[in-house]
Amino acid sequence: NAGVTQTPKFQVLKTGQSMTLQCAQDMNHNSMYWYRQDPGMGLRLIYYSASEGTTDKGEVPNGYNVSRLNKREFSLRLESAAPSQTSVYFCASSPGLAGVGEQFFGPGTRLTVL
Amino acid sequence: GENVEQHPSTLSVQEGDSAVIKCTYSDSASNYFPWYKQELGKRPQLIIDIRSNVGEKKDQRIAVTLNKTAKHFSLHITETQPEDSAVYFCAASGGSNYKLTFGKGTLLTVNP
Repeated sequence: NAGVTQTPKFQVLKTGQSMTLQCAQDMNHNSMYWYRQDPGMGLRLIYYSASEGTTDKGEVPNGYNVSRLNKREFSLRLESAAPSQTSVYFCASSPGLAGVGEQFFGPGTRLTVL
Repeated sequence: GENVEQHPSTLSVQEGDSAVIKCTYSDSASNYFPWYKQELGKRPQLIIDIRSNVGEKKDQRIAVTLNKTAKHFSLHITETQPEDSAVYFCAASGGSNYKLTFGKGTLLTVNP
């Protein structure tokens, strides 16, 4: 099993450009999450999906959109990137209820917005 | 929403010593408290968790204690080794919105 995979690993954007971060899991998990990690700020939840077809906002959703394409895939889109979105983005999944139980993280995407 | 405070932000110990990291939370309805370890450049990984019906849980050199009345929980690492050096995050969930809220992390350095 590959677990949770993310693409790309690194990305550099100019202010105003758009991009989609891809995430997939092969563990048949119900819940999936997108976090951003900034120095000294811990992990902050952007969006999560408790099941296929549902999404909900986390702590810092502004400037992002998500799509739960199917049970395996959960994508994060930046419509108009800003320097404040420079961060490391982690996707995660868990088998049960959103927020309860072990979350399995992907390797991360390091995004720089110039 | 839930607010999780974590202390200290950095901790340096000698190999073989014990390390303690403390967290407090604000939502009295929270009932799940995991701890994640993140090595430099790697993804976070769960090392231990505790639910609110348990006061203490141990796994070899790692233990977590929970005081629901005071709304705080702690990670204890005994006989520290250089490979314990990492950033440790506490988190809480199970409250009104079921979202996992993380503390800001503790950078633990174990000196040989």
